[in-house]
Amino acid sequence: EDQVTQSPEALRLQEGESSSLNCSYTVSGLRGLFWYRQDPGKGPEFLFTLYSAGEEKEKERLKATLTKKESFLHITAPKPEDSATYLCAVLGSSNTGKLIFGQGTTLQVKP
Amino acid sequence: DTEVTQTPKHLVMGMTNKKSLKCEQHMGHRAMYWYKQKAKKPPELMFVYSYEKLSINESVPSRFSPECPNSSLLNLHLHALQPEDSALYLCASSQEGTGNYGYTFGSGTRLTVV
Repeated sequence: EDQVTQSPEALRLQEGESSSLNCSYTVSGLRGLFWYRQDPGKGPEFLFTLYSAGEEKEKERLKATLTKKESFLHITAPKPEDSATYLCAVLGSSNTGKLIFGQGTTLQVKP
Repeated sequence: DTEVTQTPKHLVMGMTNKKSLKCEQHMGHRAMYWYKQKAKKPPELMFVYSYEKLSINESVPSRFSPECPNSSLLNLHLHALQPEDSALYLCASSQEGTGNYGYTFGSGTRLTVV
């Protein structure tokens, strides 16, 4: 059964304090791993798609990496506006079209 | 246009009411999805439409009835809901039914059943 586990559940950082969020996954035939950002009461906002181990993508202060078992979302010198819940999801070959989400990591960045 | 638009943004309905949620996209995507999200939980898939045909129904109660009139529009008809159905209802779309290129989500409809 496809499964996604995110850690930590919650993370509090000072502005400028870099850190990483983890997404461990078990999936038969990974077709894509997705990172989303979600603000309270809003829909998830697409950040990155990673397709194969070794792949990396960057956007502003965020960098996503992928291995065969996990993905990391690195946040460099975060700002208060980076505060949100970050969701990881996988698409496997056995669940066509169905994203399997992790529980999310809620990030709070204090000024 | 790279958006998925959902209306209304907020909805309060009684348990005997009938209401509908609407979702629209003009990105040429051929798959559309309904998700339900409870507070502090990840989105849960309800329905998938691929090329305007229902392809996945995640054993959703019949009080939720999806409809896809055309490739740009997705509706969710609600009838005789329960208070536990209160949640954020999210619509999403993808280029095609496999979801390989990721989903674009709308901002959601906050539904409260009283």
